[in-house]
Amino acid sequence: GAGVSQSPSNKVTEKGKDVELRCDPISGHTALYWYRQSLGQGLEFLIYFQGNSAPDKSGLPSDRFSAERTGGSVSTLTIQRTQQEDSAVYLCASSLAGQGTYEQYFGPGTRLTVT
Amino acid sequence: AQSVTQLDSHVSVSEGTPVLLRCNYSSSYSPSLFWYVQHPNKGLQLLLKYTSAATLVKGINGFEAEFKKSETSFHLTKPSAHMSDAAEYFCVVIRSGGYQKVTFGIGTKLQVIP
Repeated sequence: GAGVSQSPSNKVTEKGKDVELRCDPISGHTALYWYRQSLGQGLEFLIYFQGNSAPDKSGLPSDRFSAERTGGSVSTLTIQRTQQEDSAVYLCASSLAGQGTYEQYFGPGTRLTVT
Repeated sequence: AQSVTQLDSHVSVSEGTPVLLRCNYSSSYSPSLFWYVQHPNKGLQLLLKYTSAATLVKGINGFEAEFKKSETSFHLTKPSAHMSDAAEYFCVVIRSGGYQKVTFGIGTKLQVIP
């Protein structure tokens, strides 16, 4: 079946511009996560959506970062006024959390380069 | 509080020799534990998971891990390394039940020498 998909796969933007990254989770998965992976670093948790509950935004690094999940499915991560330190691979994952199964399935990521 | 410590940032083994990637965790709750692998320029793939059933967990590609509560460890092992095992490995703790809390280790890069 279809896995988690992300678009675009690569995004190059100029410093100061806004970007939107999209994630399509596996159908039926109630939980959706965004992570950031910088060169040589581990995964940095950004935000977590679980069903209709308020999202856990504790990992967002600044108020320039925001995310939405519409209709409990597709999610968009928005970075406003991008900075060079925002350059990283942004990963999305989904899971059946809350139904006894917690493994996350990851998308291929969006590589963001801020010039 | 919840944390994951991967004790080695880099591990180098010869092809055909055993692999040991170490992971220690800390959790106030009964955790679920996972190992993920990331090959160069590829996405993260689940290797194996522990969710309070058998303490010895077998995963894909000949990997296994043993959950040791007394040592708060979840080390990943493989009897014989293959060149295709060269990748980065992440140990992950997820707080079970209720609202989830996910913590990734910083990763261990495995190099396999021919």
